[in-house]
Amino acid sequence: DAMVIQNPRYQVTQFGKPVTLSCSQTLNHNVMYWYQQKSSQAPKLLFHYYDKDFNNEADTPDNFQSRRPNTSFCFLDIRSPGLGDAAMYLCATSNGLAVYNEQFFGPGTRLTVL
Amino acid sequence: DQQVKQNSPSLSVQEGRISILNCDYTNSMFDYFLWYKKYPAEGPTFLISISSIKDKNEDGRFTVFLNKSAKHLSLHIVPSQPGDSAVYFCAASPGGSQGNLIFGKGTKLSVKP
Repeated sequence: DAMVIQNPRYQVTQFGKPVTLSCSQTLNHNVMYWYQQKSSQAPKLLFHYYDKDFNNEADTPDNFQSRRPNTSFCFLDIRSPGLGDAAMYLCATSNGLAVYNEQFFGPGTRLTVL
Repeated sequence: DQQVKQNSPSLSVQEGRISILNCDYTNSMFDYFLWYKKYPAEGPTFLISISSIKDKNEDGRFTVFLNKSAKHLSLHIVPSQPGDSAVYFCAASPGGSQGNLIFGKGTKLSVKP
């Protein structure tokens, strides 16, 4: 089955220790997104890639970076995690940026910062 | 400042009855609205959408109603089934690029047998 895979499902890191979350897709979609969802909050878009073009949301902290080495993989790097970065991180893909292009989500990675 | 609001964190409904989930928005530039459904330990999945040029869209047991003057939309599930128990997210887009979907906090629906 074509799908969006996120590894690991649970990640624990220490305050200030860099961490990388990964997302892969078998849908061959050209757009990949990263969302942050804090407890009891709405998912919030951090950035997205359209092919190799990176698009950062205006209020995404500089602490968050992303890499997309190829169509299938996208990584979220948190350079110096703070306690406030503990959240569920959702990866999604879509076949285009038009409003009718459905976004397909992975199951998420829950990040704990100690 | 929330642009998409789902004011009911939870809703409990009896099987076979109607479930109505509500969503309000503040940005008049939003012109496309979506509902996503999320089961525990899974990512959200698309359920139904509506363009601002319509006031109703129906797909089987699911109907979305849009009231632009009130900046309000609702999702109706009829009849509700226990398998509908999930968190439902309302999302909105200012059109064109879907890259900037704005989500609500979600409503947890419990359908009791």
